[in-house]
Amino acid sequence: AQTVTQSQPEMSVQEAETVTLSCTYDTSESDYYLFWYKQPPSRQMILVIRQEAYKQQNATENRFSVNFQKAAKSFSLKISDSQLGDAAMYFCAYRSWPSTGTASKLTFGTGTRLQVTL
Amino acid sequence: DGGITQSPKYLFRKEGQNVTLSCEQNLNHDAMYWYRQDPGQGLRLIYYSQIVNDFQKGDIAEGYSVSREKKESFPLTVTSAQKNPTAFYLCASRPNGEWGTEAFFGQGTRLTVV
Repeated sequence: AQTVTQSQPEMSVQEAETVTLSCTYDTSESDYYLFWYKQPPSRQMILVIRQEAYKQQNATENRFSVNFQKAAKSFSLKISDSQLGDAAMYFCAYRSWPSTGTASKLTFGTGTRLQVTL
Repeated sequence: DGGITQSPKYLFRKEGQNVTLSCEQNLNHDAMYWYRQDPGQGLRLIYYSQIVNDFQKGDIAEGYSVSREKKESFPLTVTSAQKNPTAFYLCASRPNGEWGTEAFFGQGTRLTVV
């Protein structure tokens, strides 16, 4: 079974600075997807960024980028120019490559609470 | 507007009673998921379903049951067998055929058992 580990329960960053959130995962599969979700105080889950395992290029979405190290099974999220609105819980998630006849599981880590200070 | 609707937002029940949480989506998604969220434990998968009349147990299915009689609906019943049912419950859906698509989430139901 796949597992996702986020070893940083809480992180803090000053506004306009850069912060990196860590995520590692365990899998025997060669193809899969990885996601970072944000959960603000409203508790609505919002997709931040996604990465396909077969792509070597790291995904980027505006101020958010990932460092995907497939061999090391690492998937960290870098937030540049941090803003107050970035304060939230961040979850790393793994989804298996879909197989015929079954829905693919989406497995989450335990989350990292990001605090943004002035 | 398309989306996922969970109801109610807050739910209170007495210990020993079964309770059903509603999840409805009008996104025409095939796959639907139920997660439980507890402080410090992230989201844990309870049940998931690929198509109507088919569903699989997730990692913490004991004490829960689901049905998938319609594509749009995936209700979760928390039974009296669930030892610690107080939690925040999230429903999600995604299309089966679009492999790279993320899951879309409802706004959650906070269940408190007293």
